[in-house]
Amino acid sequence: DGGITQSPKYLFRKEGQNVTLSCEQNLNHDAMYWYRQDPGQGLRLIYYSQIVNDFQKGDIAEGYSVSREKKESFPLTVTSAQKNPTAFYLCASSGKGGRSGQPQHFGDGTRLSIL
Amino acid sequence: QQQVKQSPQSLIVQKGGISIINCAYENTAFDYFPWYQQFPGKGPALLIAIRPDVSEKKEGRFTISFNKSAKQFSLHIMDSQPGDSATYFCAASRAAGTSYGKLTFGQGTILTVHP
Repeated sequence: DGGITQSPKYLFRKEGQNVTLSCEQNLNHDAMYWYRQDPGQGLRLIYYSQIVNDFQKGDIAEGYSVSREKKESFPLTVTSAQKNPTAFYLCASSGKGGRSGQPQHFGDGTRLSIL
Repeated sequence: QQQVKQSPQSLIVQKGGISIINCAYENTAFDYFPWYQQFPGKGPALLIAIRPDVSEKKEGRFTISFNKSAKQFSLHIMDSQPGDSATYFCAASRAAGTSYGKLTFGQGTILTVHP
């Protein structure tokens, strides 16, 4: 079945540690996105990529990094510079934009907590 | 200008009743307005979407009403069921252009439908 796979489902980070969240899609979508979800704040965009080897900062990129070496994959690294990393992280993908708009398809998220 | 404001934060409805969630936006360049449904521990799933060239769109028990002059849109859930209990997010984006697919989300509404 086509979809977006995020792993792991739960992740724990120690102080000063970088951690990487995986996101893989087999929908042949060009664009991929990373969101952070906190209670009562909706979804906030961290980074997005519209094409391989290119990505842009979203609204809350500080303390995060990404890469887009393959169309199917868009890993997110939460660095030690991110002082409040505890959140639910969601990856999404969409096809090329057009007049009708392109829906974003989401994975089932990774919950990151601090040890 | 990028904000999407959603209300109410939480909503309790009896089975069979009508659930209404409202959103307001500021950016007049937005031309794609999707609604997402999210169950606990899962990623959001697209429910229904509308473009501003129509004032209403209905899919089953779900209806979007759109008021372009007021820059507001709302989700109506008719004959609400306990299985509709979830968090609902409105969103907005430009369907085409350099920011295609980049969604701005509302803060979310937690809907509880009592049996």
